[in-house]
Amino acid sequence: EAQVTQNPRYLITVTGKKLTVTCSQNMNHEYMSWYRQDPGLGLRQIYYSMNVEVTDKGDVPEGYKVSRKEKRNFPLILESPSPNQTSLYFCASSQSPRGSYEQYFGPGTRLTVT
Amino acid sequence: ILNVEQSPQSLHVQEGDSTNFTCSFPSSNFYALHWYRWETAKSPEALFVMTLNGDEKKKGRISATLNTKEGYSYLYIKGSQPEDSATYLCAPPRGKLIFGQGTELSVKP
Repeated sequence: EAQVTQNPRYLITVTGKKLTVTCSQNMNHEYMSWYRQDPGLGLRQIYYSMNVEVTDKGDVPEGYKVSRKEKRNFPLILESPSPNQTSLYFCASSQSPRGSYEQYFGPGTRLTVT
Repeated sequence: ILNVEQSPQSLHVQEGDSTNFTCSFPSSNFYALHWYRWETAKSPEALFVMTLNGDEKKKGRISATLNTKEGYSYLYIKGSQPEDSATYLCAPPRGKLIFGQGTELSVKP
């Protein structure tokens, strides 16, 4: 079954404690992306990756890091989480972002930073 | 920054009503427009990817039209059902997807 998986689905942590949210897709997609969703602000892109070892900042990259060492995986790293990073996070993948290919979203990770 | 506007922000209809909402986007450098359906507690799912001016797509009771020259797309739902309750997002790709704020649809039985 074609899917995007994220782990963990729920996480409560404390300020400053490094964490990683994993994302994996089994569709051999080149493009992967991370979004955060906050009430009233819609989906905002954090980082994206066009292919292995190719990553770029989205609209709200501050406080986040990513890596793309393998095509299927695109982890999101919060080196020193802060309460303003409490949000719902989605990973997504696509054959390409350039128009005619839909994005497939993971199930979401709800992060709370206290 | 690409400006994508969706209206209305929210919509409350009765079961059986037909409804429609709008996505507006810059018409210059148009490549495609995506529509996604996002149910509460789930993740967004693609409804349509539209690329041609005048394009019409249909999936069951949901259909969409596209006008690339004036920069808008309409999403129509015929005979709304409670299971249609969701947020509907549009997104024109510009090297990456830029999402509108969405239209939140609530269908009451």
